[in-house]
Amino acid sequence: QVQLQESGPGLVKPSQTLSLTCTVSISSGIYYWSWIRQPAGKGLEWIGRIHSSGSTNYNPSLKSRIAISVDTSKKQFSLQLSSVTVADTAVYYCARDDGNGHFDYWGQGTLVTVSS
Amino acid sequence: DIVMTQSPDSLAMSLGERATINCKSSQSVLHRSNKKNYLAWYQQKPGQPPKLLIYWASTRESGVPDRFSGSGSGTDFTLTISSLQAEDVAVYYCQQSYSTLSWTFGQGTKVEIK
Repeated sequence: QVQLQESGPGLVKPSQTLSLTCTVSISSGIYYWSWIRQPAGKGLEWIGRIHSSGSTNYNPSLKSRIAISVDTSKKQFSLQLSSVTVADTAVYYCARDDGNGHFDYWGQGTLVTVSS
Repeated sequence: DIVMTQSPDSLAMSLGERATINCKSSQSVLHRSNKKNYLAWYQQKPGQPPKLLIYWASTRESGVPDRFSGSGSGTDFTLTISSLQAEDVAVYYCQQSYSTLSWTFGQGTKVEIK
């Protein structure tokens, strides 16, 4: 059973960089690893994904502010979102993408609040 | 971006009734090369992450009850719950993965018991 767990600060100041890490229990196989967010009471927004090889795909609307990296030795992948505003306040999920854009395993999510 | 539009935004049905959720994409999500529709459905219960129910528009994920079914092709898709159970109360999302530039979700449909 694949398990994912997000970690990182729950509060970030405006204009600063949001940094989150996702630790995966089993990372073997040909998969991509994605970040998805959900503002309170709203829908889901895909942020971007990374393959274990390091290749990435980013949501064009966020591309200029995003960096996703992977550390296969630690079974972790990370998200950095720069120049955050209150609009970036959301629950951030990490998820496994089966390679076809189907998210079959998810972390429980972590709430990140952008506030001064 | 491919825009996904779900209808209705919410529905309330009695236990045992059939529930139908529609999803329309702004362009076809059917890949001509492999004849697959890059359309998935998720269920999200309060305080939980989404759960994959259906992929390739009609393939049920392992462990998903057979009262859940998906249909459709091209731009129009449907998720059907054949006999609504109390544990099916949730928000349901469709999602396209046709465009390699960006995956997008529908706005969600809230299902409640009448």
